[in-house]
Amino acid sequence: NAGVTQTPKFQVLKTGQSMTLQCAQDMNHEYMSWYRQDPGMGLRLIHYSVGAGITDQGEVPNGYNVSRSTTEDFPLRLLSAAPSQTSVYFCASSYEGPPMNTEAFFGQGTRLTVV
Amino acid sequence: GNSVTQMEGPVTLSEEAFLTINCTYTATGYPSLFWYVQYPGEGLQLLLKATKADDKGSNKGFEATYRKETTSFHLEKGSVQVSDSAVYFCALGADNDMRFGAGTRLTVKP
Repeated sequence: NAGVTQTPKFQVLKTGQSMTLQCAQDMNHEYMSWYRQDPGMGLRLIHYSVGAGITDQGEVPNGYNVSRSTTEDFPLRLLSAAPSQTSVYFCASSYEGPPMNTEAFFGQGTRLTVV
Repeated sequence: GNSVTQMEGPVTLSEEAFLTINCTYTATGYPSLFWYVQYPGEGLQLLLKATKADDKGSNKGFEATYRKETTSFHLEKGSVQVSDSAVYFCALGADNDMRFGAGTRLTVKP
């Protein structure tokens, strides 16, 4: 049982480049989300999805796009990378969204550096 | 808006010491409260949760009680082990939104 799989694990981008962070889950969870983790700030919600075809913004959505064409996949796109987007990115999934009685499962993270 | 404040670290304890990590929250409505743990190089793992006032979450010797009157969800463990060394995050969930505290790094020395 793979759980939540994120790729790549590490990435270095130049300012202005675009890229997509991949996230896939095999637990048939409806709710998926993306967070960024910065020192001293905990995790902050970027975007989330409550099901295929439905996405919404979280606390810090600017500079990021998402889509949810299938239940399993929830990619995060950086359209024009900026140094302020240097961070560790985590994808998570759960059967339902907060408040929830079911556990959220996190991927192992993608460490992104924008130079 | 909703927010979580947890005590700053780092916290360094000797093995078998008592642990408390303070967490307070601000929220409208009826959020769920969580403690997550992050080991080096890994994603977060759920440690325990409480979904309504006066609920006590517990797991692996850790406990936290959802106190609506003090808006708190403090994490406690009676006797920590070296293997408990990690970063601990308090979190609040409501309206499809999760808010995390800044995290507290715990180091337990033998």
